[in-house]
Amino acid sequence: DVKVTQSSRYLVKRTGEKVFLECVQDMDHENMFWYRQDPGLGLRLIYFSYDVKMKEKGDIPEGYSVSREKKERFSLILESASTNQTSMYLCASSFPSGGGDTQYFGPGTRLTVL
Amino acid sequence: DQQVKQNSPSLSVQEGRISILNCDYTNSMFDYFLWYKKYPAEGPTFLISISSIKDKNEDGRFTVFLNKSAKHLSLHIVPSQPGDSAVYFCAAGLLNTGFQKLVFGTGTRLLVSP
Repeated sequence: DVKVTQSSRYLVKRTGEKVFLECVQDMDHENMFWYRQDPGLGLRLIYFSYDVKMKEKGDIPEGYSVSREKKERFSLILESASTNQTSMYLCASSFPSGGGDTQYFGPGTRLTVL
Repeated sequence: DQQVKQNSPSLSVQEGRISILNCDYTNSMFDYFLWYKKYPAEGPTFLISISSIKDKNEDGRFTVFLNKSAKHLSLHIVPSQPGDSAVYFCAAGLLNTGFQKLVFGTGTRLLVSP
């Protein structure tokens, strides 16, 4: 079974703090993704990575950065947290295949910025 | 601009009956579609997928139908069970890009009552 783990299930931070969200997958997947989920907006892609040290902006990258130093680990960084970044953050990974990639998700981190 | 739309935010069905969840997309280039199921406080889990060369795919109680001309897909669950109560997301992707980035809908909350 694919396992995607996220460092925290719940996190509370203050405005202006630097926040690190970590994601680890154990299936040697090439691709990794960070989404945020908000009511009425579904899952929106923040950043993704298709290889170590490679990253691409998703649909809503503003206010975020990412790091992928090892294949199994993909970190999301909020440089200066703001209240509008309060959300559920979901990490996913996939292995590229010709038949279509299925993304496997972690349990999510519920981040509250006060 | 929402490329993948789920116009029904919620659906209530009685146990044993059919649940039909709908999804519309605007980008005719999408050629791969997936449904994910999400329970509260958990990450989405893959349910079923379909590529554009097919119009139907079945897996047990779950069937996905694709109508390319209408840019519409639907998920049928027969018979519905209380454990199916969850939020369902449809997603669309492009197989021929070489990289599987998915666009998700906003989700439909299904409630199956005993």
